Order: sequence, then structure tokens, then C-alpha cells
Amino acid sequence: DQQVKQNSPSLSVQEGRISILNCDYTNSMFDYFLWYKKYPAEGPTFLISISSIKDKNEDGRFTVFLNKSAKHLSLHIVPSQPGDSAVYFCAASAGANNLFFGTGTRLTVIP
Amino acid sequence: DTAVSQTPKYLVTQMGNDKSIKCEQNLGHDTMYWYKQDSKKFLKIMFSYNNKELIINETVPNRFSPKSPDKAHLNLHINSLELGDSAVYFCASSPRQGHMNTEAFFGQGTRLTVV
Repeated sequence: DQQVKQNSPSLSVQEGRISILNCDYTNSMFDYFLWYKKYPAEGPTFLISISSIKDKNEDGRFTVFLNKSAKHLSLHIVPSQPGDSAVYFCAASAGANNLFFGTGTRLTVIP
Repeated sequence: DTAVSQTPKYLVTQMGNDKSIKCEQNLGHDTMYWYKQDSKKFLKIMFSYNNKELIINETVPNRFSPKSPDKAHLNLHINSLELGDSAVYFCASSPRQGHMNTEAFFGQGTRLTVV
């Protein structure tokens, strides 16, 4: 049973435009949400996170939005850059001992 | 200087063989993990060790046996390999138990192919 879902396997965006990656979850006990970025042949690297007590967290070009009532979060990247091209994983935790990952969205930023 | 390193990066082996994947972290972290990413790109935890003690053991066949000789190492030994074991295995670490939220570092992954 997949508790974290990323329904878009891929996304293409023009350089300079906004990238919006979406994630849905089913477990209402999740209290922390994260986005990881993964380049080919490398492990996932932490990008940005948000606690369930917030609805927005911003770090430079990256902003994560959380809608608890809809059990939905999104990652906004603006402006998108070619170096942002990677696979983005959404993840969630309940109690911080484990991370449940989505299946990832491959973002391609076109120069 | 790699924070979490796994060896080998690629592993091709025949069904029925026994193999090990090694993981080392030089971050001084107390907690280490093994994750499996299957063919559907689903990344799921297998084991978690805190200070050499097993904390999490998800529903994983007992052919998989993690071994932690010290808190900087968590090796994964797999007996009697099966075709379905083919996947990418990621090692990760965090400073302490309960800190998977923001301070987890992943290795580069080991792509295991069973033929």
C-alpha cells in the first residue's frame, strides 16, 4: 500500500518558468514532509521540508506548500534552471524513524 | 570526501548466490538504514540500526541479514539471491534515531541485478 503518491512520472518546463511538482499522501499521521532530489547514479539528496504545523516553507527558489485537508503537497521551483533537471521524490514521516517515499517525478528543464 | 559510501556500485550475480553490499558513513551518525528501490521506482525502508542495534525490520525475507560491526558501518548480506531481488539498494544515515526528517544522507546506491 503506497502511502505517498506522485502521479506525474515526468514534467518538462522551459528555463525561467515555474516548475510545480505534486504529491499526495494517505496517512493522516504523517507529521513531516520532505522533498529529495536525485541525479542519475547518485543517492537522493535532501532539498526542502515542511512540518505539518505549517502550510508553506520557502528556501530560495524552492517553496513547498502543504494542504493538510487535501493531504496534498507541492514543490514550486521558480525560476527553473537546467541544473534542476533531476528526479524529485516526495517523502513523509510519522515519528521521524522512517521515510515513506513517492515514486518520483522526473523534471526536465529545457534551456 | 563521500559522507555515505556504498560498495559495490553495480553487482551482477546468478540466482542462488550469496552476496554482500557494504556501507560506511563518516559523519559520526548513530543511525543507519537500508532502503530498496524496486523496478517501479518505489523507495522503501528495509532496516534501521541505531548504535549497532536493530530498530526497524520491515517485512523483508530473512534471506536479507544486515550486519553492523560498528556504528559507522551497516552491511547488507543477501543469501540465495532471487530474480526479484534485483533493485537499487540505498544506504542512508542520520545523526540519531528519530531524525530522519531533515538530516538523512543517502549513499549513491548499489544496482543489484540477479540473472
